[in-house]
Amino acid sequence: QVQLQESGPGLVEPSETLSLTCTVSDGSISDYYWSWIRQPAGKGLEWIGRIYTTGSTNYNPSLKSRLTMSVDTSKNQFSLNLSSVTAADTAIYYCARGARSSGWKYFDYWGQGSLVTVSS
Amino acid sequence: AIQLTQSPSSLSASVGDRITITCRASQGIGTSLAWYQLKPGKAPKLLIYDASTLESGVPSGFSGSGSGTVFTLTISSLRPDDFATYYCQQFNTYPPITFGQGTRLEMK
Repeated sequence: QVQLQESGPGLVEPSETLSLTCTVSDGSISDYYWSWIRQPAGKGLEWIGRIYTTGSTNYNPSLKSRLTMSVDTSKNQFSLNLSSVTAADTAIYYCARGARSSGWKYFDYWGQGSLVTVSS
Repeated sequence: AIQLTQSPSSLSASVGDRITITCRASQGIGTSLAWYQLKPGKAPKLLIYDASTLESGVPSGFSGSGSGTVFTLTISSLRPDDFATYYCQQFNTYPPITFGQGTRLEMK
């Protein structure tokens, strides 16, 4: 059973860069799409973007100018950097795997989520 | 971006009840829709994909239907473990992938 675990600072200052890493265990990171999804308190889910294990990325247009994603197949990890954060970026951040059987349309494995608060 | 609107936003029901949640897309998306179950502190769970296909390991009491712009998730007989928040998600027009705003299912 594939497991995903988000890690990173729980508190980020305004205007700084939010950085999170997702570690994939009990399965290979290779040949899949890996996404980041967030949920602000009391709100719905927002897809942030995804990366393939070759490094190819697709970003949500609303966040694209502030986003960078990367993958390290040797460590079975992928990462998110979101720059110039504001309080509006405070959310639970999830990492998730694209389901190959569905043509990558849906997410079959998720992490438990990591709460990131933007505050000084 | 395609908008997904779920109704109701919240629902109060009892163990054994049959419930239905609706997801409406702002434009046609064929059957490119999934349903997820979210619980606090737990990894979200894929329930249904391609509008009506049950994900492996998901109880048969869950079912999905619909195409185009209107979709439904039905739980035939609520169990205690089913009380959670449910989201629909589309992939037909991308990017971005979009989700509904969620339906919170509470125990009456």
